[in-house]
Amino acid sequence: GAVVSQHPSRVICKSGTSVKIECRSLDFQATTMFWYRQFPKQSLMLMATSNEGSKATYEQGVEKDKFLINHASLTLSTLTVTSAHPEDSSFYICSARDLMILATGDNYGYTFGSGTRLTVV
Amino acid sequence: DAKTTQPPSMDCAEGRAANLPCNHSTISGNEYVYWYRQIHSQGPQYIIHGLKNNETNEMASLIITEDRKSSTLILPHATLRDTAVYYCIVRERAQKLVFGQGTRLTINP
Repeated sequence: GAVVSQHPSRVICKSGTSVKIECRSLDFQATTMFWYRQFPKQSLMLMATSNEGSKATYEQGVEKDKFLINHASLTLSTLTVTSAHPEDSSFYICSARDLMILATGDNYGYTFGSGTRLTVV
Repeated sequence: DAKTTQPPSMDCAEGRAANLPCNHSTISGNEYVYWYRQIHSQGPQYIIHGLKNNETNEMASLIITEDRKSSTLILPHATLRDTAVYYCIVRERAQKLVFGQGTRLTINP
């Protein structure tokens, strides 16, 4: 099946610095990328949706200037947490969607990365 | 907002069938029922999905009631590696995935 490679898997940064998280779709074209955030013992919360070549659509309450999303190619999307603070410490997960696969009925149209554990100190 | 209701936690003995219920009383005709699971500190993993008919694959079976207002995910022979949080999601095929709180399933030896 389709694979999404996400890295880094873990990152520790100092408060005030920026961190970039990358997600790459392997062997398929990710027409849409979803970014989620998950706090301990909570469910995944959708942060934003990005289509290749377009600006991301952010969910209500998510600061677009703080969480910069770039989806410049069909295989790469990045999330940059700018001016990180301890409250941004969380598990960040990407999900890629390939509409071609969806059209054929294969659910692998939605594939998740393995997640990035961000700790801001 | 998630459109499903699941029990927060369940336990099951290793080797037995694990039956995870999900209520989705407001499901519309175009919406599918999807099940994902998340093992600790990993990304969610697709399990199975269905529209009206019961479905079975190598991982699990999905039983959808005739009125489609509820469903049950069945893991026929649970193992310790099946310990995870299981999410039931209803959506139209191309919609984004919105996760509810899920069911934390613990498989006991």
